[in-house]
Amino acid sequence: QKEVEQDPGPLSVPEGAIVSLNCTYSNSAFQYFMWYRQYSRKGPELLMYTYSSGNKEDGRFTAQVDKSSKYISLFIRDSQPSDSATYLCAMSGYNFNKFYFGSGTKLNVKP
Amino acid sequence: DGGITQSPKYLFRKEGQNVTLSCEQNLNHDAMYWYRQDPGQGLRLIYYSQIVNDFQKGDIAEGYSVSREKKESFPLTVTSAQKNPTAFYLCASSPGLTPYNEQFFGPGTRLTVL
Repeated sequence: QKEVEQDPGPLSVPEGAIVSLNCTYSNSAFQYFMWYRQYSRKGPELLMYTYSSGNKEDGRFTAQVDKSSKYISLFIRDSQPSDSATYLCAMSGYNFNKFYFGSGTKLNVKP
Repeated sequence: DGGITQSPKYLFRKEGQNVTLSCEQNLNHDAMYWYRQDPGQGLRLIYYSQIVNDFQKGDIAEGYSVSREKKESFPLTVTSAQKNPTAFYLCASSPGLTPYNEQFFGPGTRLTVL
C-alpha cells in the first residue's frame, strides 16, 4: 500500500465549477500537508500549506485536513481555464526527513 | 529575489556520459532534495540532504550521485550506470526539521539521452 493515494484523473469540469481534489494517507504521524500545482514541463508550485487538522482558505482555494479519517482535500471555487494543471498532494511529519507525494490529479477546466 | 534555480533547463546526453545538474537556493534552507518525474507519474526521491556534508539515498539512488559542500548548492550527477536517465529532474528545498517544513521546488531540468 502506498503511503499517499491520489486519484490520477483526468478530471474535466466547466469554467466556474467547484472542484474537489482529494488524497488519502496511511501514516497517522503526518502533520504537514501541502498542495502543489504543476503546469506542463514546469516545477510544482506550492499552493497551500496546512499544519494538523482544520481548514485554510486563500482566495479561491480551500484546503481541508481530516486527520481522523486520514483524508485531505483541496477545493477550487469559480474554477478558471488557467487552473488547468496537475495537482499534487504532499505530506510529512515532525522529525520526518522526507516528504510523501501523491501521484497527482490532472485537472482540465473547459471554457 | 529568493528561490531555487536549476540549470540547464534542457540537457542532452550521449549514452555512456556522466552529466551534472545544478541546483542552487538562496532561501537559507537546510534541507535539499532531488526528485525524478517521468511522464504521467508522480515524484520519486533520488537523494536528499538535511545538512551540509551529509546526504542520504532516496528510493531510486542507483546510478546517481550528489554532493553537499555548501548550504546553497546540491548538484546531482547522472552517471552512465543509470540505465534509463531520460526524465524531468526537480530540485527542492525546505527549512529542515522545524515545525513549519514547507518544501519549494525549482523549475526543473529535462534530461534526454540521445
